[in-house]
This record gives sequence, C-alpha cells and structure tokens, in this order.
Amino acid sequence: DAKTTQPPSMDCAEGRAANLPCNHSTISGNEYVYWYRQIHSQGPQYIIHGLKNNETNEMASLIITEDRKSSTLILPHATLRDTAVYYCIVRVGGVETSGSRLTFGEGTQLTVNP
Amino acid sequence: DTGVSQNPRHKITKRGQNVTFRCDPISEHNRLYWYRQTLGQGPEFLTYFQNEAQLEKSRLLSDRFSAERPKGSFSTLEIQRTEQGDSAMYLCASSLMYRDANIQYFGAGTRLSVL
Repeated sequence: DAKTTQPPSMDCAEGRAANLPCNHSTISGNEYVYWYRQIHSQGPQYIIHGLKNNETNEMASLIITEDRKSSTLILPHATLRDTAVYYCIVRVGGVETSGSRLTFGEGTQLTVNP
Repeated sequence: DTGVSQNPRHKITKRGQNVTFRCDPISEHNRLYWYRQTLGQGPEFLTYFQNEAQLEKSRLLSDRFSAERPKGSFSTLEIQRTEQGDSAMYLCASSLMYRDANIQYFGAGTRLSVL
C-alpha cells in the first residue's frame, strides 16, 4: 500500500466547506484512494473512493490531482456532526480485490466549530 | 440492514482472565475482519475471515488471541490470560464478496479495559 501523509488536525467553521488533503506521492497505477472517518466512540465509516476521476456522493466529493500524487476530500457544508478523524487509505482496489487488511494511519482530526 | 453488531460494548476484566467478544456482521457479508485500536492511533488489522475460513492473521495476533467464525456468520475473538497491554478498542468489520473488499462496514467496537 502506498504511504499517505495527512495533517494531524484542521478546523472548519460550521456551514463552510471542509477541504482535507492527503499526499500519496508513491501511489501505483492500480491503487485507489479511499476515505474513511471515525466519529468519537464509533467505528470507522466509509465515505468515498476513487481511482483517477473526481468522485461525488451524498457525503462528500473527492478530488484527485492529475498526477494522482495527492487528493482532497471535500465536505461541502460542514456540520458539527462532521467532527471526526478522517483517514486517507491508498491500496489496490476494485471488485477484484481479495481481502483484507486496511492500513489506517493517524488521520486528520477535523473539528467543526459553531 | 441493522449494521455490524458487537457485544459487549464495554468489558472490564482483571489481568490474567479470559475474555470473549462477539461480532455479528451484516447479513450476507462473507468477509469479516477484526481490528484493534489504541488511544490516539488508527485501527490495526488483526485477522480476516472469508466465510468460515480464517485467511489472514496479523503478527499482532499473539498465541493468546484466537478468532473463530464457525458457521460463516457471527465471529468471536477470545483473549486468554489478558494483559494490561491488551486494553484497547476491538473493532469488527464486514464486507461483501465480489465487491470492493476495501469498502468495509464497521461496528461500534468493544472497549476492553484490563486492570
């Protein structure tokens, strides 16, 4: 799995967009970028993933740079409930994956302030 | 779909005692994973089942740890002769075969405190 680098913490005002960066300069061609978050006292929650195109779902948008060496998770209108640790994970993905372990780093603690 | 269920939510035990945790995955999810998380760290992989077969174990899973998934449904994680260093959150996750295995659904975890 490619190594990822995330800032340890970020703050965001409620209602504003939260932009969480992730560097993954050693990403390989068949590795996807996955984002999870973990709200205090809960298990991690899958948010979104992508290979090279930008992706959007009901939770967030994922912007991957053209060289794929970095990405940004965007929460368009952050709420207090978005306060959590956000993890960026890079590994081979898709329906052909055969398992198994996710490697979580320390993530970014996002605090949404009122 | 009730999500991944873990019991108990909290467990306090004395050093040297055995403990067992249970995980009920999302129905029809063939893959089941156990992770451990200590304070301030991300979850660390322990082991993985595909149906009832245990396909991968981390070096973190010492001889005192054993996991089972006897009928390919629920799973148990047992820790024998607990040590204070075993204090952590134990997380279970499940995913569906023939889908992206990196999309895993986690339970709320069992928090173990060893006194």
